[in-house]
Amino acid sequence: DVKVTQSSRYLVKRTGEKVFLECVQDMDHENMFWYRQDPGLGLRLIYFSYDVKMKEKGDIPEGYSVSREKKERFSLILESASTNQTSMYLCASSPPPSGYNEQFFGPGTRLTVL
Amino acid sequence: GESVGLHLPTLSVQEGDNSIINCAYSNSASDYFIWYKQESGKGPQFIIDIRSNMDKRQGQRVTVLLNKTVKHLSLQIAATQPGDSAVYFCAESFSGYALNFGKGTSLLVTP
Repeated sequence: DVKVTQSSRYLVKRTGEKVFLECVQDMDHENMFWYRQDPGLGLRLIYFSYDVKMKEKGDIPEGYSVSREKKERFSLILESASTNQTSMYLCASSPPPSGYNEQFFGPGTRLTVL
Repeated sequence: GESVGLHLPTLSVQEGDNSIINCAYSNSASDYFIWYKQESGKGPQFIIDIRSNMDKRQGQRVTVLLNKTVKHLSLQIAATQPGDSAVYFCAESFSGYALNFGKGTSLLVTP
């Protein structure tokens, strides 16, 4: 079974802190994704990566950056956390092509920025 | 069904009844569609998918129907069980690009 793990289930940070969210997948998938999920808004794509060191902006990249140094690991970085970044963050992975295959999701990280 | 607003649509069904969850997608060029189920505190889980060259696809207790004419997708769950209570998301993509998710529908199964 595909397993996608996220470094934390719950995280509390202060405004202005630099925040790292880590995601690891064990199925050798080329594609990895970061979404945020807010009540009533569904899943919104922040960034995705289709290969090591490659990244593409999603629908809401502002205030975020990503890093993919190894195929199995995709990190989401909040350079200076703000209260409007309080949300549930979901990581996913899939084999290519990304839009024609099931994405496998991690359990999510609930981030609260105070 | 799915909506653009901030309120999550809710569907309440009795245990044993059939459920139908609807989704209106936005892009007439979309050629791949997928349904996910998300239980409380968990990440979304794949239920079933369908390509645009099909109108219907069946899985275990679930059926997805695609009407490209009106850009409508539905998920039918037969003999709904308490374990089916969750939020259901449809997603679309075109040309193999990233999936575009809907806002979700909450399904509540009552005894």
